[in-house]
Amino acid sequence: SQQGEEDPQALSIQEGENATMNCSYKTSINNLQWYRQNSGRGLVHLILIRSNEREKHSGRLRVTLDTSKKSSSLLITASRAADTASYFCATDPANQGGKLIFGQGTELSVKP
Amino acid sequence: GAVVSQHPSRVICKSGTSVKIECRSLDFQATTMFWYRQFPKQSLMLMATSNEGSKATYEQGVEKDKFLINHASLTLSTLTVTSAHPEDSSFYICSASWGRDEQYFGPGTRLTVT
Repeated sequence: SQQGEEDPQALSIQEGENATMNCSYKTSINNLQWYRQNSGRGLVHLILIRSNEREKHSGRLRVTLDTSKKSSSLLITASRAADTASYFCATDPANQGGKLIFGQGTELSVKP
Repeated sequence: GAVVSQHPSRVICKSGTSVKIECRSLDFQATTMFWYRQFPKQSLMLMATSNEGSKATYEQGVEKDKFLINHASLTLSTLTVTSAHPEDSSFYICSASWGRDEQYFGPGTRLTVT
């Protein structure tokens, strides 16, 4: 069963702008991960943030995690047309053997 | 990073036939493999968790007799869709892990049942 809710469902921005996607979940987690998927393709792992971490950076990506609110955000700075894709958060629920529960995804379109 | 392959990448089959999809971890031993299904414009739904040498654990609502999973070795898991119907048409994605936080995803298999 899915436990992640993401918003917005779709986001359209101009190249150079920042994109922010939000994810909320329901249960205790070991970690939360963000993935990217180009249309009809496999998943690309972007970043993992553990439950005891609050913020993490990787290149143009910044992820925050608020376990008290059970929410996370993914910020992509200085977006590029090549960032156009679907972005999913996935939670690793505590005591669930490592399985991932995916959010509904945000479809990002970056216009050149 | 770790590499996971899937075969075939695309398959078209007739209704009522069975289809086998392979998931291989190419450069590591996967103690656990996961199978997901993704319908168009939707998210990934976990179907089952497969541990090497033991029976798969299926998520609620997933028919274990229809989606047969075998994890016979530390590098190979197979998903067989038995008696496929058009509503089984989907994108099937596997992932593999060896007990750490990350799962490594295969490129997916697009199944079309006619």
